[in-house]
Parts: sequence; structure tokens; C-alpha cells
Amino acid sequence: GAGVSQTPSNKVTEKGKYVELRCDPISGHTALYWYRQSLGQGPEFLIYFQGTGAADDSGLPNDRFFAVRPEGSVSTLKIQRTERGDSAVYLCASSPQGLPFNGYTFGSGTRLTVV
Amino acid sequence: GENVEQHPSTLSVQEGDSAVIKCTYSDSASNYFPWYKQELGKRPQLIIDIRSNVGEKKDQRIAVTLNKTAKHFSLHITETQPEDSAVYFCAASKGGGADGLTFGKGTHLIIQP
Repeated sequence: GAGVSQTPSNKVTEKGKYVELRCDPISGHTALYWYRQSLGQGPEFLIYFQGTGAADDSGLPNDRFFAVRPEGSVSTLKIQRTERGDSAVYLCASSPQGLPFNGYTFGSGTRLTVV
Repeated sequence: GENVEQHPSTLSVQEGDSAVIKCTYSDSASNYFPWYKQELGKRPQLIIDIRSNVGEKKDQRIAVTLNKTAKHFSLHITETQPEDSAVYFCAASKGGGADGLTFGKGTHLIIQP
């Protein structure tokens, strides 16, 4: 596709429910990143994939958060037992493999609201 | 881990004047420093970046300087225009940028007409 696509654009869920957020990267981009941006804050790194494997998941806040990228393209961020503090915009970005790194393109994000 | 501090949190300048936003980082292994601009309700967009092997980079009205010894870098915008109004984020990364970025908290730049 032309850019990074994220769905849904908005998601409202009740506390305790399970949610899945989807990211469709730019075609051919092997690196994929998830960030979380709370109101008035900068994006916070969660996890990044090189191909199908998670190269760095050190930013996942706890074991309620999990992400997969089974075929090295689309990725799903999964949040179990959602809490109100999980409310944020979840941003996905992708980049081609290799250096020099020339920055990446963010998707429009999924605004998650936990009520 | 890396910690990035950004100042000021809000900056108001007259149209046509210059704006400077400053960031410091803690991890001396960081070697890639991008700046993102985010307009209200939109995604962050890369406007300029610098790597640790250079001290300054310029692109039209925007420039970034890096002082590795002091571990700080700055964004300079000259001849500011109304469309420059946005939130600006600095970030730092190891691994040339291919690893995850650590962002500052952002600077809300307001251009007064």
C-alpha cells in the first residue's frame, strides 16, 4: 500500500475486555514498530519486529500486552484485561531493512479508549 | 535505558523570528537523533535527523546541531511561519536508528502572527 495502515482508527472498550489492533506496513518493509502515545506525551516505544521475529520487546509494559507478525507483514497488537490506563493512541511505523536508517513512516494510529 | 529531556514544553515566537528547541540524552551509545513534527490529531512526521558522525545538518529553514560531548542536540527554525505551529518531538536511538526511538515529551511551538 501507499502508507502504513492501522485499523480500527478508534476503539472504545470496557475495562477488562480484550482488544486487537492491526497494522499493515508499507509493502516490502521488513521492520515494524509499535509505539503508544498518551495525551500530551511523546510516543513510547513498545516493540519492534524484523521480519516475523520480535527483535526488541523491552517496551511492552507488562504481560497483558503481546504482539505478533506471523508472516512478516501485517502485525497485531493484543491487549488483555484492558485497564483505563491503557487509553492512548497506538502508533505503528515501518521501515525498509538495513542501514543507513532514514527514518520511518508512522500510521495514523488507533485511538484506544478504555471506559 | 535512554532518557531524553526536552525544553521548553511551550515556545511562543513572533512570525518571522527564530525558534530553538533543546534536548539532552543520557546514553552515550546513542547515535541517531531525529526530530518529528506533529500537528493536532495527526501522525508524527520526520522533519530532519542527524547522526553522531556530524555536528550540524541543515535543510532550508530547519537545522539541527549535535554536541556529543555534552550529549545535547537542538532544533533551529528560522523565519518562522504560521504553518510551523505544531508539537515538535526530539528522539534518540542506538543502532543507527533501526532500534526503537526514545522520545522527548515534546515542545508546543506557537507562531504569533
